[in-house]
Amino acid sequence: AQSVTQLGSHVSVSEGALVLLRCNYSSSVPPYLFWYVQYPNQGLQLLLKYTTGATLVKGINGFEAEFKKSETSFHLTKPSAHMSDAAEYFCAVSDGYNFNKFYFGSGTKLNVKP
Amino acid sequence: GAVVSQHPSWVICKSGTSVKIECRSLDFQATTMFWYRQFPKQSLMLMATSNEGSKATYEQGVEKDKFLINHASLTLSTLTVTSAHPEDSSFYICSASGLAGELGGELFFGEGSRLTVL
Repeated sequence: AQSVTQLGSHVSVSEGALVLLRCNYSSSVPPYLFWYVQYPNQGLQLLLKYTTGATLVKGINGFEAEFKKSETSFHLTKPSAHMSDAAEYFCAVSDGYNFNKFYFGSGTKLNVKP
Repeated sequence: GAVVSQHPSWVICKSGTSVKIECRSLDFQATTMFWYRQFPKQSLMLMATSNEGSKATYEQGVEKDKFLINHASLTLSTLTVTSAHPEDSSFYICSASGLAGELGGELFFGEGSRLTVL
């Protein structure tokens, strides 16, 4: 079975500071990895995904993530936080046998201070 | 990109009534749709997997008779909360994936439906 761990349910950064949201996963087969963002009372929007190929993945809104197989990690970063980045972020891994079945982390709420 | 739409976005109902939530894939054929429930300040909990033309597969602990799922076409799945009670109040989100090998293995999410049972 797959599992996803997001360290830190709340992360607070100052505007302009580096954003780092951590995600570790467990998977017995090479997974597909995703980061989604959720704004209040809305569904989830895909930020970026890793399936195969280059391990550094760039997504929307200046976010990127790096797949590190040896560390089973897929941390999300952004060099400079904007106020509009304040939201909840979910890391997800798809089942290696059934790529349609997703497992979500518990989420990290990002707060951006002016 | 692919668009998934849910309706209604907000619904308030009386205890004991049934509520239907629709999930539509607007510009692609969704062979599989997923229904999630999200409690306040928590992650998404997968309720069931819905395959077009067949019975839904429910996750452990989810009442099949309480949450009826129908996936009658490649673009529409419905979730009916039967005899709703206040504890069913939650945010329900659907997602859809495309035909095998298409859309890069990505899940596309609806906007979510906030159910409040009085």
